[in-house]
Amino acid sequence: DAKTTQPPSMDCAEGRAANLPCNHSTISGNEYVYWYRQIHSQGPQYIIHGLKNNETNEMASLIITEDRKSSTLILPHATLRDTAVYYCIVRRFGNEKLTFGTGTRLTIIP
Amino acid sequence: SAVISQKPSRDICQRGTSLTIQCQVDSQVTMMFWYRQQPGQSLTLIATANQGSEATYESGFVIDKFPISRPNLTFSTLTVSNMSPEDSSIYLCSVEVGGAYGYTFGSGTRLTVV
Repeated sequence: DAKTTQPPSMDCAEGRAANLPCNHSTISGNEYVYWYRQIHSQGPQYIIHGLKNNETNEMASLIITEDRKSSTLILPHATLRDTAVYYCIVRRFGNEKLTFGTGTRLTIIP
Repeated sequence: SAVISQKPSRDICQRGTSLTIQCQVDSQVTMMFWYRQQPGQSLTLIATANQGSEATYESGFVIDKFPISRPNLTFSTLTVSNMSPEDSSIYLCSVEVGGAYGYTFGSGTRLTVV
């Protein structure tokens, strides 16, 4: 699976949009981009995933660049409960394993 | 999505002993995954457990240290054997239900070895 690069930490003001970037420059055509987050002392939580089109659900939006070499997770109105480590993962279709990188520690500031 | 019950939630164990962690899922799943998260670190996959076959271990993990059982499609156990303080970690199980939900994780077992 392709490796991902994320900033180690970010801050965002409460109520503002949090934009978390992820680089996956070696991604191949059959690899999906997944986002998970881990709130302190809990198991990781699935947020969203996509292949090449932008995706939106009740939690977040995922913007994937046209060349698919990077993506951005957007939390539209961040709350204090969004403080967590966010993991961007690239996974081959049909490959069952999830390989976690170091993630981005997002802190929402009141 | 699936609901996972993981037990125990935490334990403090003496070195040299073993601990068995249970993972119960509320639906039938083909594969179950066991992860380790050392203090301040990301998650590392230990092994993949299929029902009716031996678990597949990742590099650096061996069956003698982390034996896994998978007796049916809703249950699995991970044993941490002959523990040392270096085994102090959070151990998590995970399943993929499919569809739009990705993988679901249990809440983890926080193990401290003294």
